[in-house]
Amino acid sequence: GQNIDQPTEMTATEGAIVQINCTYQTSGFNGLFWYQQHAGEAPTFLSYNVLDGLEEKGRFSSFLSRSKGYSYLLLKELQMKDSASYLCAVLDSNYQLNWGAGTKLIIKP
Amino acid sequence: IAGITQAPTSQILAAGRRMTLRCTQDMRHNAMYWYRQDLGLGLRLIHYSNTAGTTGKGEVPDGYSVSRANTDDFPLTLASAVPSQTSVYFCASSAGPSGSYNEQFFGPGTRLTVL
Repeated sequence: GQNIDQPTEMTATEGAIVQINCTYQTSGFNGLFWYQQHAGEAPTFLSYNVLDGLEEKGRFSSFLSRSKGYSYLLLKELQMKDSASYLCAVLDSNYQLNWGAGTKLIIKP
Repeated sequence: IAGITQAPTSQILAAGRRMTLRCTQDMRHNAMYWYRQDLGLGLRLIHYSNTAGTTGKGEVPDGYSVSRANTDDFPLTLASAVPSQTSVYFCASSAGPSGSYNEQFFGPGTRLTVL
């Protein structure tokens, strides 16, 4: 079966940097997505990686290592509004999206 | 309308009742999806549609049905609701077919409680 693992919860301080990890075991791989979901709201797209390496987009960066089945989302200069859940999702060989349970990020002042 | 809308926002339903959750998008996206989200679990795909007139089963389709009569609308029906269907339901759409590289855009969700 498909397996997407993320930490359940993380805490970080405003202004700091945090790295949210995602490991996956899926039948094939056609890309990995990161979404942000504020409490009570819908998920919104953050990033997509299909090749190894780092993709930077402002304060957010996403890294992928296909050989290790591993990705991380890096958030810099944390702001209180970054308090949210971060969802990792992997596109498998059947082009089905497999979602992790999400990591709840708590930002403290 | 801008993006995807869902109705109702929330609903309390007696077990055994029939319920249709509505979803409409104005982005002319080809693909649409229905997910349920439960605490501690990832989003789980119920049904999807790659284009108007076609539908497919996702990971957890039992007890649910969908139709795609046109591009914009993708209603989800619970024929006879059971308490295990208590969840938050999200509708989503993407420009390309199911599972493509295109990002999915989500509606605001419907919070359904079945008693």
